[in-house]
Amino acid sequence: NAGVTQTPKFRVLKTGQSMTLLCAQDMNHEYMYWYRQDPGMGLRLIHYSVGEGTTAKGEVPDGYNVSRLKKQNFLLGLESAAPSQTSVYFCASSPSGARGYTFGSGTRLTVV
Amino acid sequence: GIQVEQSPPDLILQEGANSTLRCNFSDSVNNLQWFHQNPWGQLINLFYIPSGTKQNGRLSATTVATERYSLLYISSSQTTDSGVYFCAVDTNSGGSNYKLTFGKGTLLTVNP
Repeated sequence: NAGVTQTPKFRVLKTGQSMTLLCAQDMNHEYMYWYRQDPGMGLRLIHYSVGEGTTAKGEVPDGYNVSRLKKQNFLLGLESAAPSQTSVYFCASSPSGARGYTFGSGTRLTVV
Repeated sequence: GIQVEQSPPDLILQEGANSTLRCNFSDSVNNLQWFHQNPWGQLINLFYIPSGTKQNGRLSATTVATERYSLLYISSSQTTDSGVYFCAVDTNSGGSNYKLTFGKGTLLTVNP
């Protein structure tokens, strides 16, 4: 099984450009999450979803949008990228939310 | 929101040494997990331990929920134990909006 797959793995954007990060899971998990990891900051929750068609804001949602049109996919969008969004982005899924988190391998995004 | 503090922030060991990592949290929790991020960035779930003690090989964890802390013990450390160890908690006592809040992590370096 692939588990949680994130695409792309690396990307460089210019300020003001837009892009979408894709997270796909093949474990039939209900919950999906987007985190960002910055040096010395741990992982901070951007947005999450508790099921197909649902989304909710996390700790640092500004500048990002998400969609969960299909249960297996969770998309993270940046409408107008800023240098402050330079980070490593991790997607995770879990069957029940309380335990069983599985993380993707991350997307390293640089905004210049 | 809940605060999660991990100590020490950095730890350097010689191979074969033992270590204890600590996680303090500011509120009652229903879910506490320990993760290891290896030097290549992959996040692996080590323990789901909202209370009590668990062991898995050379690693063990104890959570004292009433005193709001958890400890991760690593015995006979190996170079492959190097990486960042994260504690993550969730305070949700009902409903469906489960999500983990992460500490900033402990960077462990095990030298040969």
